[in-house]
Amino acid sequence: QKEVEQNSGPLSVPEGAIASLNCTYSDRGSQSFFWYRQYSGKSPELIMFIYSNGDKEDGRFTAQLNKASQYVSLLIRDSQPSDSATYLCAVDVSGTYKYIFGTGTRLKVLA
Amino acid sequence: GAVVSQHPSWVICKSGTSVKIECRSLDFQATTMFWYRQFPKQSLMLMATSNEGSKATYEQGVEKDKFLINHASLTLSTLTVTSAHPEDSSFYICSADSGEKLFFGSGTQLSVL
Repeated sequence: QKEVEQNSGPLSVPEGAIASLNCTYSDRGSQSFFWYRQYSGKSPELIMFIYSNGDKEDGRFTAQLNKASQYVSLLIRDSQPSDSATYLCAVDVSGTYKYIFGTGTRLKVLA
Repeated sequence: GAVVSQHPSWVICKSGTSVKIECRSLDFQATTMFWYRQFPKQSLMLMATSNEGSKATYEQGVEKDKFLINHASLTLSTLTVTSAHPEDSSFYICSADSGEKLFFGSGTQLSVL
């Protein structure tokens, strides 16, 4: 059974701080890793994707991938109250077209 | 970014009726689309994988005769909830695979009275 695990939170950070969200996965063959942001009652929105080991930066967001340790993380710099949402980690299931989602981490950015 | 359109956004129906939800990829062709349902404060639950021109693949525990999926073209997949009951009330979300990334529709909130 392939799994993706996230701490459900809530993770509370003050405005302007760095929020660090982590995700571990069990499928060693996974190649594609995604972070989605979901506001309450809304559909997930793609924030970042990463395929290679290392860091990938896009604006205030940095995705980090370590395939040897099977974890992927998302850093949000200069956190804003508008970043308050649930962040979902998604990983492809090797050999299939499917993706597995973690249960999400609820982030609260305090003004 | 790529756009996936899902319609309707909200639907309220009587118990026993059927509801059809459409999912369209607007600016790319999607060989594979996925259907999820999500209960409040829970994560996405994959219901089925929809492949263009072939039968959908359902996840364990999902009734294929209740949740009919049709992927008639590379840009359109539909989910029909047949004989809906109150326990089917949920947020249904589709996603389309562009080949590189997975994009989501805006979701459909179904309420069965």
